[in-house]
Amino acid sequence: GAVVSQHPSRVICKSGTSVKIECRSLDFQATTMFWYRQFPKQSLMLMATSNEGSKATYEQGVEKDKFLINHASLTLSTLTVTSAHPEDSSFYICSAKGRGETQYFGPGTRLLVL
Amino acid sequence: DAKTTQPTSMDCAEGRAANLPCNHSTISGNEYVYWYRQIHSQGPQYIIHGLKNNETNEMASLIITEDRKSSTLILPHATLRDTAVYYCIVRVSGSARQLTFGSGTQLTVLP
Repeated sequence: GAVVSQHPSRVICKSGTSVKIECRSLDFQATTMFWYRQFPKQSLMLMATSNEGSKATYEQGVEKDKFLINHASLTLSTLTVTSAHPEDSSFYICSAKGRGETQYFGPGTRLLVL
Repeated sequence: DAKTTQPTSMDCAEGRAANLPCNHSTISGNEYVYWYRQIHSQGPQYIIHGLKNNETNEMASLIITEDRKSSTLILPHATLRDTAVYYCIVRVSGSARQLTFGSGTQLTVLP
């Protein structure tokens, strides 16, 4: 199957700082990328959808000014958590979809805000 | 997208077949059935998908009933590494929309 990578795999930061997470589709062009968040013992919750070259569409309740998404190319999307707080600590997972039917997921980034 | 119903948890003996059921009684004719799994602290892994015919790949088999209202994912020879949460998801063919995850089935493969 297609490969999606994320970097970093885990990050610890101080409250008030910003953290950038990269998501790359390694062997296909991702026309659409999705960002999910998963809290302990819960399922994945969609945060936003982004198409290459256009603004992301955020789900209800997700602050677009806090979670900045950039999808500058067909193989790269970034999520920046601005002014992170402890309640933003979570497992962030990106997903990419090309022209086919299947959506592929990255390995996830664990964020801990102190 | 149609809603799915899965058992919360299942156990399976190592080496035996694991049969994971999924109900999707409101599925439409143009909706695919997808199966993903999530091993602890990892991103979801694609397993298989199908529309109405049974499908098989190197990981699993997908059996879809004739009325398409339910399906079963079969792992033919479960190993300890197959312990994971398994998600059954229905989505319209050709849709650019995201996959929506329910609570899935926690499969535990026992030694």
